[in-house]
Amino acid sequence: DVKVTQSSRYLVKRTGEKVFLECVQDMDHENMFWYRQDPGLGLRLIYFSYDVKMKEKGDIPEGYSVSREKKERFSLILESASTNQTSMYLCASSLNQPQHFGDGTRLSIL
Amino acid sequence: QQQVKQSPQSLIVQKGGISIINCAYENTAFDYFPWYQQFPGKGPALLIAIRPDVSEKKEGRFTISFNKSAKQFSLHIMDSQPGDSATYFCAASGGNEKLTFGTGTRLTIIP
Repeated sequence: DVKVTQSSRYLVKRTGEKVFLECVQDMDHENMFWYRQDPGLGLRLIYFSYDVKMKEKGDIPEGYSVSREKKERFSLILESASTNQTSMYLCASSLNQPQHFGDGTRLSIL
Repeated sequence: QQQVKQSPQSLIVQKGGISIINCAYENTAFDYFPWYQQFPGKGPALLIAIRPDVSEKKEGRFTISFNKSAKQFSLHIMDSQPGDSATYFCAASGGNEKLTFGTGTRLTIIP
């Protein structure tokens, strides 16, 4: 079974802080994704990566950046956290579909 | 611009009944249509998926119906059970690994 692990289930940070969300997958998948999930809006793609050191913007990349230095690890970075980034963040990985998701990080920005 | 429209937003069905969730898409390049199921505190998990070369796919109590000309697809859950209570997302993909998700349907099965 594919396992996608997100380092924190809950995280509370302050406005202006730099925030790192980490994701690790154990199936050697080439593709990794970061989404945010908000009620009534579904899952919206922030960034994705199809190879080490490669990244592409998704639908809502503003205020975020990503890093993929190793194939199994994909990090989401909030450069200067703002309250409107309070959300559930989901990481996923895939190889020729389907995408496999972690259990999410609920991030609160105070 | 939302490319996959999902309805209803919430649905209450009696145990043993049929749950139906509908999705419509705009992009004719989409060629992969999965449904994901999400329980509270968990990430979405693939439930069933279809490609447009077939009009229906069934796995146990779950069926996807696909209408290519209308650009619509739907999830049917037969003999709905309380354990089916969850949030369901339709999605679509075309030519790459990216998925475009619908906004989700919260399904509640009552005894």
